[in-house]
Amino acid sequence: QSALTQPPSASGSPGQSVTISCTGTSSDVGGYNYVSWYQQHPGKAPQIIIYEVSKRPSGVPERFSGSKSGNTASLTVSGLQAEDEADYYCSSFSGSNNRYVFGTGTKVTVL
Amino acid sequence: QVQLVESGGGVVQPGRSLRLSCAASGFTFSSYGMHWVRQAPGKGLEWVAVLSYDGSDKYYADSVKGRFTISRDNSRNTLYLQMSSLRPEDTAVYFCAKDVEYALNYWGQGTLVTVSS
Repeated sequence: QSALTQPPSASGSPGQSVTISCTGTSSDVGGYNYVSWYQQHPGKAPQIIIYEVSKRPSGVPERFSGSKSGNTASLTVSGLQAEDEADYYCSSFSGSNNRYVFGTGTKVTVL
Repeated sequence: QVQLVESGGGVVQPGRSLRLSCAASGFTFSSYGMHWVRQAPGKGLEWVAVLSYDGSDKYYADSVKGRFTISRDNSRNTLYLQMSSLRPEDTAVYFCAKDVEYALNYWGQGTLVTVSS
């Protein structure tokens, strides 16, 4: 089971938007609406920011949004803030073997 | 509030075994599936295993299948990961996480496992 593909890095100035892609296959990202996104600050545990492709848990700011097209999911962070500087990981359920797979991770830098 | 506290990590020699625990509180533990996820030093997240709410269904990553066993004791609100035949590449911080709608909505702070001679 191969990791989902994410760009290693992304950046933007405060107030700008950044979009991170997450590419899988028809067995995971493309086959199910069970894509989630996690934010991880250095030395901390990951925290969920998106589930089921585009749903936000309570307490997550509206500037985090998710979408999916075919085998690629995307996370957009609008109105970048300094505290958004972190690593971001996508994840998907893989129905071919009832497993889960994470993305390779993207480091977001706020310039 | 939901709390997940991992324990049991440490330094272990290659080929030996170790059992991790995850103590849960703040939610009805017996109603939710639970995951183990690991992160090697400086690397990304790797999903390890998932266990259904009642322990009847369990699935593993290929990298640990046959060596690791996930289990739970709903009377003690505790999740376990029994790790055997440990390898240096199993060195990582191990997180337990609560499942909801095929996502991991709460995570513990992790416990470090170092496999080294």
